[in-house]
Amino acid sequence: KNEVEQSPQNLTAQEGEFITINCSYSVGISALHWLQQHPGGGIVSLFMLSSGKKKHGRLIATINIQEKHSSLHITASHPRDSAVYICAVRSAEYGGATNKLIFGTGTLLAVQP
Amino acid sequence: NAGVTQTPKFRVLKTGQSMTLLCAQDMNHEYMYWYRQDPGMGLRLIHYSVGEGTTAKGEVPDGYNVSRLKKQNFLLGLESAAPSQTSVYFCASTLDVFNYGYTFGSGTRLTVV
Repeated sequence: KNEVEQSPQNLTAQEGEFITINCSYSVGISALHWLQQHPGGGIVSLFMLSSGKKKHGRLIATINIQEKHSSLHITASHPRDSAVYICAVRSAEYGGATNKLIFGTGTLLAVQP
Repeated sequence: NAGVTQTPKFRVLKTGQSMTLLCAQDMNHEYMYWYRQDPGMGLRLIHYSVGEGTTAKGEVPDGYNVSRLKKQNFLLGLESAAPSQTSVYFCASTLDVFNYGYTFGSGTRLTVV
């Protein structure tokens, strides 16, 4: 079982819909990252979270440390949001942060006009 | 523009050939990383560096070597390329693993035939 699991693996939405992508992890962490990768493109960092909630434009990221779960929400989705969204956690071994990021396999989002 | 620059963007190698991938950042970041991205798998760490003159092995270091002679540059070398090294390679950097997100390069697509 992967240490970082994302769901769904694939998601198709209509423009304007509210989208939720989930990330569950099984290790202790010091931080969680959400990344965006457009087809054939580079990777962009969206959020880094260690608790609570962050918002940037139409994107909202939440994390529940006790439940080892994070969600990425997109409000008023648009075709330009079509991309792979990747969750990554920084593991916390022996109570400290490590240099190791553990990546999920990504959620492929397609927003249709 | 400030950021992480990877060269080359594409390369085809024959089995047994060698090559060096260059990662350059102009943000004065201490930490630099090389990842590989393969279909159906999360990004995997090859090698990383926590500062000029330092390097360390990641999850999948075999067949690769790295050097960080200057703070701004992190080189990834393949001494004798194998088809199993066909992948997309990403470089990333960060100022501080505790407080900042990562900046990724645009990737190098390498095919070994």
